[in-house]
Parts: sequence; C-alpha cells; structure tokens
Amino acid sequence: GDSVTQMEGPVTLSEEAFLTINCTYTATGYPSLFWYVQYPGEGLQLLLKATKADDKGSNKGFEATYRKETTSFHLEKGSVQVSDSAVYFCALSDGPLLTFGTGTRLTIIP
Amino acid sequence: GAGVSQSPRYKVAKRGQDVALRCDPISGHVSLFWYQQALGQGPEFLTYFQNEAQLDKSGLPSDRFFAERPEGSVSTLKIQRTQQEDSAVYLCASSLGGASYGYTFGSGTRLTVV
Repeated sequence: GDSVTQMEGPVTLSEEAFLTINCTYTATGYPSLFWYVQYPGEGLQLLLKATKADDKGSNKGFEATYRKETTSFHLEKGSVQVSDSAVYFCALSDGPLLTFGTGTRLTIIP
Repeated sequence: GAGVSQSPRYKVAKRGQDVALRCDPISGHVSLFWYQQALGQGPEFLTYFQNEAQLDKSGLPSDRFFAERPEGSVSTLKIQRTQQEDSAVYLCASSLGGASYGYTFGSGTRLTVV
C-alpha cells in the first residue's frame, strides 16, 4: 500500500538557519503530496501541497517540490524563526484519504 | 462554526468503560474523517463519511469501534469496552471533498484509558 517515510527527529536549529526535512513516498498511482504542521496545543494545519510532478508548493516561506523521479517531497525554508517550532507531517493522497508520515519535531532556538 | 470542533478535549476512561467522542465539522463540508494518533506517531485513518454515508471503515481497529453521522453533520466515534491500547488522540477532519481540497482538522480528543 501507499506509505510515507520522513526524516526522524527531533531537529533543533538556530534562528535564521536553513531547514530541510526529507520526505519520500511509495504509491501505486499518482498521488497528491502535502505538508501539514501541528503547532503546540493546536490541530493539524495544511502548510502546502502539490498535485502533480514538478509542482512546487509554497506557503509562509516554506517550499516543497514534487519529484516523481526520486519519489520525494522535501520541505525547505531558507531562514527559520522561533515561531516555526512545531511538528511537521508529510502526507500523500491517492483518493479521498490521507496517509501520513510519523512526523518530525522541529525546535528553533533564538 | 469557523472550524472543526471536537469534544471533549480530554477524556480519562477506566478500562472496560464505553466512551463517545463528538465532532462538529465545518458547515457545508460533506466529507468527514476520523484519524487516530498514537504518541509520537502520525495520524492513522479510521473511517470516512460522505454526508451521512460511511464510505470506508477499513481503519477501525476492532468491532469495539463504531462511528456514525446520522444527519450528515455532527459525527460521533464510540469505543466500547475501552482497552489501554485505545489511548491516543482522536482527530476529526472535514473537507469540501477529498484530500486534494485540503482537510480542516479539529484539535482532537486525547483519550487515556487507565
């Protein structure tokens, strides 16, 4: 079945550092890919998405490019802030349902 | 309402007790999903409704789990004879369609079975 593998955490970075969280997927079809974020005490929120190969999703300074050849959807941000501290989930859908990775906890220190 | 509302926010149940978790989706969202999130893990699919029809319940871990959405709006997830392994956060999400429309998640109900 479909699955998502993402970089294990926790990840700790200093403010203004460059961020990459790796995500790879396995799917039989042509899935849509997503990054969700969970801030402390809050529900999961959609951060960005891409629906076909070579699409780039972007939001709040975060970007991810759908790479079919490497089955990847890595999350990047050029300069992180303390407010980016959260748990990040990579996910895919090949229908109405979402399949999630295990999540990566990111902590940004001032 | 403006978002997906789940209640209670926290529930402590004694082993063997029945519990009911409520989800109030965004008005007009036809799709409703329940996920289970164990500590340190990603959410895992339980069941899915389109309006009042339960289209997929393949993720329900046992016949102790039951979900309903009788009028196509509010949904209830019921767990009978709770066990310690049922301890998790139960997430509800709603959507205008499927995942490609984006889900809106509630804050979840944290169930602890003691």
